[in-house]
Amino acid sequence: QQPVQSPQAVILREGEDAVINCSSSKALYSVHWYRQKHGEAPVFLMILLKGGEQKGHEKISASFNEKKQQSSLYLTASQLSYSGTYFCGTHANSNSGYALNFGKGTSLLVTP
Amino acid sequence: EAGVAQSPRYKIIEKRQSVAFWCNPISGHATLYWYQQILGQGPKLLIQFQNNGVVDDSQLPKDRFSAERLKGVDSTLKIQPAKLEDSAVYLCASSWISQGKSYEQYFGPGTRLTVT
Repeated sequence: QQPVQSPQAVILREGEDAVINCSSSKALYSVHWYRQKHGEAPVFLMILLKGGEQKGHEKISASFNEKKQQSSLYLTASQLSYSGTYFCGTHANSNSGYALNFGKGTSLLVTP
Repeated sequence: EAGVAQSPRYKIIEKRQSVAFWCNPISGHATLYWYQQILGQGPKLLIQFQNNGVVDDSQLPKDRFSAERLKGVDSTLKIQPAKLEDSAVYLCASSWISQGKSYEQYFGPGTRLTVT
């Protein structure tokens, strides 16, 4: 099942904060966050695993509520370089592999 | 560390023609994924390999799409015959997999396919 992301789009001024949410109807094993700039490949930002383990860039923070199957990505003091489309990818408890189901994305535009 | 390599970067073909895409994952990554990304949407998994075996191909349209990963390194994705709705970016990604843990995926630059 495809996770649901919200909001679909957000416009910020440089220095402002934003939260991007990702929710799933299935129990999750992990949530991955990626940012994709126009015409480029998705770039890894953060992975959150069931049980609390996290791995990602220092300036990015995120949370994972296992009970609610929800994750949030926190972008603080936004910079122009943060502009792009943010995707969450989820991996449910499964023996079929570790491929991700991606949401439709959240478009973020940071303006001067 | 070299990233995931893909070629070609762009391809334009007519419907009913065939096309092939190539991917070379990051050295040492046992798991390789092919995703299809239609404009304005998130990547959708087509097929996942672990070494040279298929782990998941449930969303691969097998009547026209095929993929292989010989020797557990490079991979090729083929479409034959192509349809208009196959126009998309085809992304290859690779990752570590170990002991039931999910690791980050590294994506290649993609191949933008246009079917006319």
